[in-house]
Amino acid sequence: ELKVEQNPLFLSMQEGKNYTIYCNYSTTSDRLYWYRQDPGKSLESLFVLLSNGAVKQEGRLMASLDTKARLSTLHITAAVHDLSATYFCAVSNNAGNMLTFGGGTRLMVKP
Amino acid sequence: EADIYQTPRYLVIGTGKKITLECSQTMGHDKMYWYQQDPGMELHLIHYSYGVNSTEKGDLSSESTVSRIRTEHFPLTLESARPSHTSQYLCASSRVGSYNEQFFGPGTRLTVL
Repeated sequence: ELKVEQNPLFLSMQEGKNYTIYCNYSTTSDRLYWYRQDPGKSLESLFVLLSNGAVKQEGRLMASLDTKARLSTLHITAAVHDLSATYFCAVSNNAGNMLTFGGGTRLMVKP
Repeated sequence: EADIYQTPRYLVIGTGKKITLECSQTMGHDKMYWYQQDPGMELHLIHYSYGVNSTEKGDLSSESTVSRIRTEHFPLTLESARPSHTSQYLCASSRVGSYNEQFFGPGTRLTVL
């Protein structure tokens, strides 16, 4: 059974600081997804990582995938308040027909 | 921006009622999904479909049922709602060959009294 764990679950940080969110998963997979969810809203797709060593960047967010370590990271550079949200990673099963989600990381960026 | 719609957005009903949550997408996606999410918590897959007349149960045991008579439409039905069904229900879709990147609807927040 595929399990996905994120840490930390809660993160409060000051504007301008850097931080990394970690996503570990339990079985082999080469497809990993990052989503953002604002309170009371739906999920917005941020990144799709499809191979070992994949790195994608959008603005102050950068995601990477290490399939050998079964680890993905979401790095936040010089955080701003607008980044406050809950971030989910999700991992595809090998058949590519289901996603298993991590528990989410609730990020609060304070002025 | 993904064109996937859910109605109603909010629903408060009494125990024992039958309800149907609607989900439609205009992107021509073959695959559609239903997830259950408690506030701020992880998503759990309850049903999915690969195409018309194809439905499967997901990881989370659910008393709901789904149907897929048209590509664009994937309704979820609870025959007899209970307070334990109180949650947010998210519908998603993806295109075959798109690495299963799923696009989500706005969700239906259900409260069963």
